[in-house]
Amino acid sequence: AQSVTQPDIHITVSEGASLELRCNYSYGATPYLFWYVQSPGQGLQLLLKYFSGDTLVQGIKGFEAEFKRSQSSFNLRKPSVHWSDAAEYFCAVGRQGAQKLVFGQGTRLTINP
Amino acid sequence: DTAVSQTPKYLVTQMGNDKSIKCEQNLGHDTMYWYKQDSKKFLKIMFSYNNKELIINETVPNRFSPKSPDKAHLNLHINSLELGDSAVYFCASSHDVSGRGQYFGPGTRLTVT
Repeated sequence: AQSVTQPDIHITVSEGASLELRCNYSYGATPYLFWYVQSPGQGLQLLLKYFSGDTLVQGIKGFEAEFKRSQSSFNLRKPSVHWSDAAEYFCAVGRQGAQKLVFGQGTRLTINP
Repeated sequence: DTAVSQTPKYLVTQMGNDKSIKCEQNLGHDTMYWYKQDSKKFLKIMFSYNNKELIINETVPNRFSPKSPDKAHLNLHINSLELGDSAVYFCASSHDVSGRGQYFGPGTRLTVT
């Protein structure tokens, strides 16, 4: 069965600092991988996705993520965070032909001014 | 233009009542979903419909009954509401069943007292 682990429940970084949010997945074949962001009281917005090909994917809002098969990871990065990046971030895994996404438990990002 | 919309945004009701949440998408997608987000922010799929047909039913109590009158709408009716049903319910849609990403609505926060 698919599973997703986000080891960090809460991360605090200073505005302008770099960011890396960790995501590890468990799945037998090549997964489809996603990062979503949920701002307070809002729905989930798709930041980026990986299906195949180049393992470094670019997303919206200056985010990128790298798929590392050997580590079963899909970590999210941003070189310089902004106060507006404060939100909950969810990693999710799916697979070809499967409708459902399996989500990690989320990482709450706090930005210090 | 709202891609995936849900009504109502907030719903407060008493135990034992019956309530409905409506979802509409204007993306022309074939597949729609209901997810439940609990108090710990954990997201889990409940149902998936493709072209108005039920595809996924993730062991949800039969007090929950989804209905899809057409491809653009997926409503969720809940009978005999219980305290444990309090959560945020998200509707989502995707182009097809390929698994290549879902787009979420803003959520409906249901509080059962």
